[in-house]
Amino acid sequence: EPEVTQTPSHQVTQMGQEVILRCVPISNHLYFYWYRQILGQKVEFLVSFYNNEISEKSEIFDDQFSVERPDGSNFTLKIRSTKLEDSAMYFCASGDSRGFFGQGTRLTVV
Amino acid sequence: KQEVTQIPAALSVPEGENLVLNCSFTDSAIYNLQWFRQDPGKGLTSLLLIQSSQREQTSGRLNASLDKSSGRSTLYIAASQPGDSATYLCAVRWTPPYAGGTSYGKLTFGQGTILTVHP
Repeated sequence: EPEVTQTPSHQVTQMGQEVILRCVPISNHLYFYWYRQILGQKVEFLVSFYNNEISEKSEIFDDQFSVERPDGSNFTLKIRSTKLEDSAMYFCASGDSRGFFGQGTRLTVV
Repeated sequence: KQEVTQIPAALSVPEGENLVLNCSFTDSAIYNLQWFRQDPGKGLTSLLLIQSSQREQTSGRLNASLDKSSGRSTLYIAASQPGDSATYLCAVRWTPPYAGGTSYGKLTFGQGTILTVHP
C-alpha cells in the first residue's frame, strides 16, 4: 500500500534554530496537511495545502511556520526560530476524503 | 466550537473480550469520521473511514458505527487480543465551509482511548 514518508524520524535542535521537516506524500494525492501532537495531548491541525497554496491554517500556525512544495514530490514544514514549546511529534498527511498519515518526526527543542 | 470527545480515556480488558470505544462530536454536519490506531511513539494508522451517508463500516474484527443525529460513533472490537493494545483515536472532518469542494477540511481529533488487552 502506498504510504506517506517523513524525514527525519527524530530531530534535536537548539532553541532559536530553524528546522525543516520533510514529507513525501502519496504520489497522486492533491491535498496535504501538517498536524502536531505534543506529548500526552491531542493531535492538532496546523495547516492544509492544495493547489500550491495554503487552504486553511490554525491559530498555532503563526509567522514562525511556513510550508512549501518545492518540487513535485516533497512537502516541507519550516519552523523559523524554534521555541521549547515547539517540541512535539509532527505528522504529515495527504489524501482526499481519507487521511493518510506518515510516521511522524519527533522534534525536540533544547 | 467543533469538538470531538472520546470515552473512556483508558480501558483495560482481558484477552478475548468484546469491547466498545465511544466517540462523540458537536455539530452533526460532518463530512466523514475516521478511526485511527496509534502505537506508543509511532504514527497514525487508519482503521476505518465512515462517510456521512453511511451507518457503519467493518474491517475484520473491527466495526465502526455512526449516528449523526446523536453526534456519536462507536468502535467495536471483537475478541480482543494483546496485539490490539494501543491508543485509538477518533477524528472528524466537518463539511468544508467553502463551495466547490476544492479542499477537504481538516481532521479534528479526540484525545484518544488507551486500550490495554492483557493475556
